[in-house]
Amino acid sequence: DSGVTQTPKHLITATGQRVTLRCSPRSGDLSVYWYQQSLDQGLQFLIQYYNGEERAKGNILERFSAQQFPDLHSELNLSSLELGDSALYFCASTRTANSGNTIYFGEGSWLTVV
Amino acid sequence: GENVEQHPSTLSVQEGDSAVIKCTYSDSASNYFPWYKQELGKRPQLIIDIRSNVGEKKDQRIAVTLNKTAKHFSLHITETQPEDSAVYFCAASSPLRFGNEKLTFGTGTRLTIIP
Repeated sequence: DSGVTQTPKHLITATGQRVTLRCSPRSGDLSVYWYQQSLDQGLQFLIQYYNGEERAKGNILERFSAQQFPDLHSELNLSSLELGDSALYFCASTRTANSGNTIYFGEGSWLTVV
Repeated sequence: GENVEQHPSTLSVQEGDSAVIKCTYSDSASNYFPWYKQELGKRPQLIIDIRSNVGEKKDQRIAVTLNKTAKHFSLHITETQPEDSAVYFCAASSPLRFGNEKLTFGTGTRLTIIP
């Protein structure tokens, strides 16, 4: 157990819908990352937050948004869902945002868009 | 930005033999290089990492080497076992502004150990 908690574990929804994925980082970790992994694909960096502020943005679509709350949990909002958004979404956390910190991944949220 | 290339994409080795996975990176400022193992449908798990002030690090059957001049690093697994079968990802951490860092992953290597 990495200490990073993600909910829901599985989610099936229809095209055009909106979903919210939730992440609780490890205790004491201030930085949260979101990654997308499509079937048999690599880990695509979406966005990073540190202590409530956006710190880095990757290949995140405009239909997607995220935020980190004062209690440090984070949510990834996916809207106007398309079939291609079906993927495993990972949240990860680190103690700080500095280089060299081990990144711990949650178990992921499986999203299936039908 | 940082670009990490990983080879090979698939690798099959006989049980007991060694496996080597290689990665190259583009940002000379990158200073932290972790390796993650991901079993099917599971989360990536850190198996070993190396920092730019070290050339080699070993942990039992796993070792990582780093060549900063050539900007490449490699994962070596010796005496492979069936449980080593998984997808392995390399990554490079490049510093951004405000003391931040961004971890860029390679595309992964699917390692299969043949009994």
